[in-house]
Amino acid sequence: AQKITQTQPGMFVQEKEAVTLDCTYDTSDPSYGLFWYKQPSSGEMIFLIYQGSYDQQNATEGRYSLNFQKARKSANLVISASQLGDSAMYFCAMRDFSGNTPLVFGKGTRLSVIA
Amino acid sequence: NAGVTQTPKFQVLKTGQSMTLQCAQDMNHNSMYWYRQDPGMGLRLIYYSASEGTTDKGEVPNGYNVSRLNKREFSLRLESAAPSQTSVYFCATDLDGLDSPLHFGNGTRLTVT
Repeated sequence: AQKITQTQPGMFVQEKEAVTLDCTYDTSDPSYGLFWYKQPSSGEMIFLIYQGSYDQQNATEGRYSLNFQKARKSANLVISASQLGDSAMYFCAMRDFSGNTPLVFGKGTRLSVIA
Repeated sequence: NAGVTQTPKFQVLKTGQSMTLQCAQDMNHNSMYWYRQDPGMGLRLIYYSASEGTTDKGEVPNGYNVSRLNKREFSLRLESAAPSQTSVYFCATDLDGLDSPLHFGNGTRLTVT
């Protein structure tokens, strides 16, 4: 069974600094996908970035990048040049491809950006 | 283009009452999902429908039923609400699983007293 672990319940970062949010996963499927979502205080779920298990390069989307270490089964989200608007809950999620299983989410990390 | 629309946004029920949460999408996606979000628990899957006419249980299906009415609509029913079902409920869709990201509705905040 898939499992996602986010070990940081809360993180603080100074505005304009970079921050890394940790995510480790467990799966026996060699083919899978990893997703990160942002949930601001308004409550909506916003898709940020995707990494496939066979992707050769780490995914990047603007200020978001994914530090994907397949052997260590980690998929950490890096946010560069933090902004006050980055304060939110962040969820890591994964899906096994062989059974086309639904997305499984971690418990989330609350990021607070300090001016 | 509304995306994924959930109704209602808020609901208060008394223990034992029933209600149906509605979800409709105009994205022509095949798969639809119902998740619940509780503090400190992340999002947990209740039920999903990989395609019109099929439904499957997720991690926490007890106390719920679903109907995939057509490709656009996927409803979640609480037959006899319990305080443990107090939660925020999200409907989500994706095109075909795999590397497709989920698109979420704005959620329904349900309180059962």
